[in-house]
Amino acid sequence: NAGVTQTPKFQVLKTGQSMTLQCAQDMNHNSMYWYRQDPGMGLRLIYYSASEGTTDKGEVPNGYNVSRLNKREFSLRLESAAPSQTSVYFCASKGQRNEKLFFGSGTQLSVL
Amino acid sequence: RKEVEQDPGPFNVPEGATVAFNCTYSNSASQSFFWYRQDCRKEPKLLMSVYSSGNEDGRFTAQLNRASQYISLLIRDSKLSDSATYLCVVRLNQGAQKLVFGQGTRLTINP
Repeated sequence: NAGVTQTPKFQVLKTGQSMTLQCAQDMNHNSMYWYRQDPGMGLRLIYYSASEGTTDKGEVPNGYNVSRLNKREFSLRLESAAPSQTSVYFCASKGQRNEKLFFGSGTQLSVL
Repeated sequence: RKEVEQDPGPFNVPEGATVAFNCTYSNSASQSFFWYRQDCRKEPKLLMSVYSSGNEDGRFTAQLNRASQYISLLIRDSKLSDSATYLCVVRLNQGAQKLVFGQGTRLTINP
């Protein structure tokens, strides 16, 4: 039972570099989310996708782009990484009728 | 004002004690409420949903107060394994898929 798979688990970038965080779920969920978690800040919503083909901004979308490639996959892209984007990133998914969020195991990203 | 607010703690209580913490939300149209648990360096996991009439799951009781716009979590007979961060989650509108987290309340149960 894979659930939500997130890659990579760890990444170190230099300021200005770009990268894409990958997320895939095998539960046929409609909704997918990207959160970041910083000490003392809880989880903050970056972007979400209520269904295939749609994406919406969350609380902290600046500096990020997303792609809902298909129903399974929802990627997060940092075009020009900044030290302020050092954080733990979580991908999550949710079914239409079930309110429960299923999370990936997280990506620890450091931007130097 | 944040959409969802929690007292970050930390709460340090002895094993066997009862502990409670609240979470307030700013949008009166909020529809669904949840408590998640997060262990150190792990992903959050659903602890329980919060229903209008209040609900209980073993040692855990969740309450919703719509008039004052807060939810609460009560843990009775606390165990060492209850040590974690407890996150309040709110779905803001009917039909919306946006879920907002509070900053979390850190709880440590001491032997």
